[in-house]
Amino acid sequence: DADVTQTPRNRITKTGKRIMLECSQTKGHDRMYWYRQDPGLGLRLIYYSFDVKDINKGEISDGYSVSRQAQAKFSLSLESAIPNQTALYFCATRGRWGQETQYFGPGTRLLVL
Amino acid sequence: AQSVAQPEDQVNVAEGNPLTVKCTYSVSGNPYLFWYVQYPNRGLQFLLKYITGDNLVKGSYGFEAEFNKSQTSFHLKKPSALVSDSALYFCAVSSLIGGYQKVTFGTGTKLQVIP
Repeated sequence: DADVTQTPRNRITKTGKRIMLECSQTKGHDRMYWYRQDPGLGLRLIYYSFDVKDINKGEISDGYSVSRQAQAKFSLSLESAIPNQTALYFCATRGRWGQETQYFGPGTRLLVL
Repeated sequence: AQSVAQPEDQVNVAEGNPLTVKCTYSVSGNPYLFWYVQYPNRGLQFLLKYITGDNLVKGSYGFEAEFNKSQTSFHLKKPSALVSDSALYFCAVSSLIGGYQKVTFGTGTKLQVIP
């Protein structure tokens, strides 16, 4: 079974709709991240969380919100989707200091029409 | 500011030939450096990392990378490329900024191994 799972894997939505992307992990890691991937831009950090009560904005947080429901769950919401939020979204986890490697989910491909 | 550069959008290499995927970085402190690989329709997978110690790091699938502090580079290498190595490769740097480890990814290099 995958250590980091994301649902849905693919989603098509319309401009103005609210959408939630979910991430779950079984690695027991404290740190969780949401990135978006766009061609030619690499991965850009949207939000990150060091634990359930510690949530921080990344480089491109505008238009997004997150919720850390439990250590194992970290959700990303688009309150009112717009077409330039069409991208591939990845969730990642990392352990504490000394465990710098990040572990990525399989990604969610989002298309906003 | 912390940054990572992957100067080549795509690298083509014949199967059996050595391959190099380039990465240079800029950080103010001591860097942790990583290579990840992304196969089609998959998430990123960790290949190898440099934290400290020996400058030559060996990772998964026969890949290795050499940390060069003077040139601020961390190029990914493999002595003999396989068709199955064809994928998107990301270099990343992590350093301590404002009390937390900030990770910055490069824009990715597409490796195409030609049979």
